[in-house]
Amino acid sequence: EAGVAQSPRYKIIEKRQSVAFWCNPISGHATLYWYQQILGQGPKLLIQFQNNGVVDDSQLPKDRFSAERLKGVDSTLKIQPAKLEDSAVYLCASSSPRSLRDRENTGELFFGEGSRLTVL
Amino acid sequence: AQSVTQLDSHVSVSEGTPVLLRCNYSSSYSPSLFWYVQHPNKGLQLLLKYTSAATLVKGINGFEAEFKKSETSFHLTKPSAHMSDAAEYFCVVSPSGSARQLTFGSGTQLTVLP
Repeated sequence: EAGVAQSPRYKIIEKRQSVAFWCNPISGHATLYWYQQILGQGPKLLIQFQNNGVVDDSQLPKDRFSAERLKGVDSTLKIQPAKLEDSAVYLCASSSPRSLRDRENTGELFFGEGSRLTVL
Repeated sequence: AQSVTQLDSHVSVSEGTPVLLRCNYSSSYSPSLFWYVQHPNKGLQLLLKYTSAATLVKGINGFEAEFKKSETSFHLTKPSAHMSDAAEYFCVVSPSGSARQLTFGSGTQLTVLP
C-alpha cells in the first residue's frame, strides 16, 4: 500500500514570507497529524484531525500557523508569516480507525518523509 | 503529565557488538511505550510497542525492549549491531487508552562503526 505522501520535500523562504505544505495520508486512515521536528529535538504535535474535524490543536501557534483537512482526506499546513524559529522538518502522520476504537492504545502512526523548511 | 528522557544523545558501537539505548519515562497513568526509528531522510517507523502485556517486547530487525516499572525505564537493546541500524531512535510515551498525546523523547543517534 502507498505510504503517507508529503510535498514539497524541501523549501527555503525568507522570514515574513508564507509557505504551505501538503499531506496525503494512507488510504482509509481517518486520523491525520502534523508534527514539527526542530533539529536535535523529538517531534512535537501541532495538530490532530479526525476525518475533517480538529481533535487537538492546543500546540499550534494560531497567530501564524493554520491547517485544514476539508474533505477528510489530504491536508494542508500553512505558515504566514514565517519566522526564523519555524525552521524545522514538518512531519505528517496518519493512523487507522482501529487504533482509536481499540481499548489499548496501539500508538502506531505512519509517517511521511517530511518537509524540511529553512527560513532565512 | 508525562515525559520521556533519552539518556544519551549519541551512541557509537562497532558492528557485531551489542546495542543499548536508554529511556526513562514519567507518566501519571499506566503508560504505553514505543520506540520509533528514523533513517536519514526517511519517515519515522515503529520498532516496537509496550501496551501492558508482556514486559519484554520484541520488535523488528532483532530489537527488543524491557518495561521495568520499578525503574521507570524502557531501554532498547539488540545483541549484535548491523551497519543498517545506524539511525536516530525515539522513545515515545502515551497515556494508556488514548491514541493521541504521544510524547517523543529528544532522540538518540546511533552510529555503527565497521
